[in-house]
Amino acid sequence: AQKVTQAQTEISVVEKEDVTLDCVYETRDTTYYLFWYKQPPSGELVFLIRRNSFDEQNEISGRYSWNFQKSTSSFNFTITASQVVDSAVYFCALQNTGGFKTIFGAGTRLFVKA
Amino acid sequence: DTGVSQNPRHKITKRGQNVTFRCDPISEHNRLYWYRQTLGQGPEFLTYFQNEAQLEKSRLLSDRFSAERPKGSFSTLEIQRTEQGDSAMYLCASSPDRVNRVGLAKNIQYFGAGTRLSVL
Repeated sequence: AQKVTQAQTEISVVEKEDVTLDCVYETRDTTYYLFWYKQPPSGELVFLIRRNSFDEQNEISGRYSWNFQKSTSSFNFTITASQVVDSAVYFCALQNTGGFKTIFGAGTRLFVKA
Repeated sequence: DTGVSQNPRHKITKRGQNVTFRCDPISEHNRLYWYRQTLGQGPEFLTYFQNEAQLEKSRLLSDRFSAERPKGSFSTLEIQRTEQGDSAMYLCASSPDRVNRVGLAKNIQYFGAGTRLSVL
C-alpha cells in the first residue's frame, strides 16, 4: 500500500525564520515520483516540485530547497527566510509510475507572521 | 495556456438533489483527473481519463457518482441523490500525455481551484 505522512499539522513561524516541512512516504514500487504542492487560501493547488525516485540529488529553487533521502523514505521541504506570502497548506504527494494516481498527505498548514 | 477551469466555484444543495460540476482542462492536456478534498485532509483520487476513456475509478466513487469526458475535452462529475457526507471540495486536474515544448513531463498534474459542495 502507498501512504504519505506529514506529521506536522500546523507550523507557526515569524517572518524571516527558516522552516522545514517533513514528509515520509511508503511504497513498494521501486520507481515512483514525489511532489510538493502549495494550496493558498484561494484553494488552487500550485505545483512546486517533482522528484524521481532514482534521482536523490537535492534541489534548491530560490528560497525553497528539498532534501530527498530514499534510505529513510523522506522528502523534506525547507523554506529559507520565510515570508508572509508563504502562508498556505503544503502537501507532499506520491505518484505511481503510471502517472495518474497520486496519493497526498494530510498537509501541513504554515502560518508566517509579520 | 489558461489554467484548469472549474464551474461552479460553490454549490449549495439540499440532500437528495443531483448536482453536476464541470472541468475544463488546460488545452491539449489529454489526461484529466478528479479528486475530492475534505476539510483538513489532502485530495483523494476519484477517477482518471485518458482522452474520453475513463481508465481508473477509486472505490470512493460510489454508484451515485458518475464522470464523463465525452469528446476528450471538458469533463463533468455528477452526484445523484446527494448526502451530507458528499460535502467537500471537488478538484479537477489535467496533465499532458507527453513532454511538452517547455519540457514538462506528462505526470505533473495541474489543478483547478475546485468546486466546493455543501449539502444541507
